[in-house]
Amino acid sequence: DQQVKQNSPSLSVQEGRISILNCDYTNSMFDYFLWYKKYPAEGPTFLISISSIKDKNEDGRFTVFLNKSAKHLSLHIVPSQPGDSAVYFCAASDGGTSYGKLTFGQGTILTVHP
Amino acid sequence: KAGVTQTPRYLIKTRGQQVTLSCSPISGHRSVSWYQQTPGQGLQFLFEYFSETQRNKGNFPGRFSGRQFSNSRSEMNVSTLELGDSALYLCASSFLAGLAYEQYFGPGTRLTVT
Repeated sequence: DQQVKQNSPSLSVQEGRISILNCDYTNSMFDYFLWYKKYPAEGPTFLISISSIKDKNEDGRFTVFLNKSAKHLSLHIVPSQPGDSAVYFCAASDGGTSYGKLTFGQGTILTVHP
Repeated sequence: KAGVTQTPRYLIKTRGQQVTLSCSPISGHRSVSWYQQTPGQGLQFLFEYFSETQRNKGNFPGRFSGRQFSNSRSEMNVSTLELGDSALYLCASSFLAGLAYEQYFGPGTRLTVT
């Protein structure tokens, strides 16, 4: 039972354009969501997060949108740069009972072409 | 601040052996979580420790165990290794950011079981 799903295994974008990565979840108890970026042979790097009490959070080129009714979140990267090429993971937390436990999606490979 | 460190970075073991992996969290972080990453299953939660107590546990067999010391450093142990235990083992340390814990990952330990 995959509670966090990233349905697009890969995404290819031109440099300077917008990258939109999507994530769906099924567990209505999730109340905190995070995005991580991962390069091969390294641990995931925290990018941005959003609490369920918000619908948008921005940090520089990264914006995360949360649609609770649709149980959907997305990460927008504007403008995309070649250095953004990596695997992006969406993760969710049920902070009330699962403190240090994150449930991850399967990841989306983003390739940004110069 | 120094990041999360994990030792060793690479390890090769044979079936039936046991292995111990170590994780030093970011200074001041009291929560340490462990994850297993495999190509087929993605990132899966193993367990989380807070103040030397296991606070959450994932769906892994009892061969996987862990502990946390008073300085927040953590170890995980896998006994009677199986081929399927070959994976990247990631440790993350957490701090409470508002309503939930944000996790910061180490580089991982790549375990190969032959």
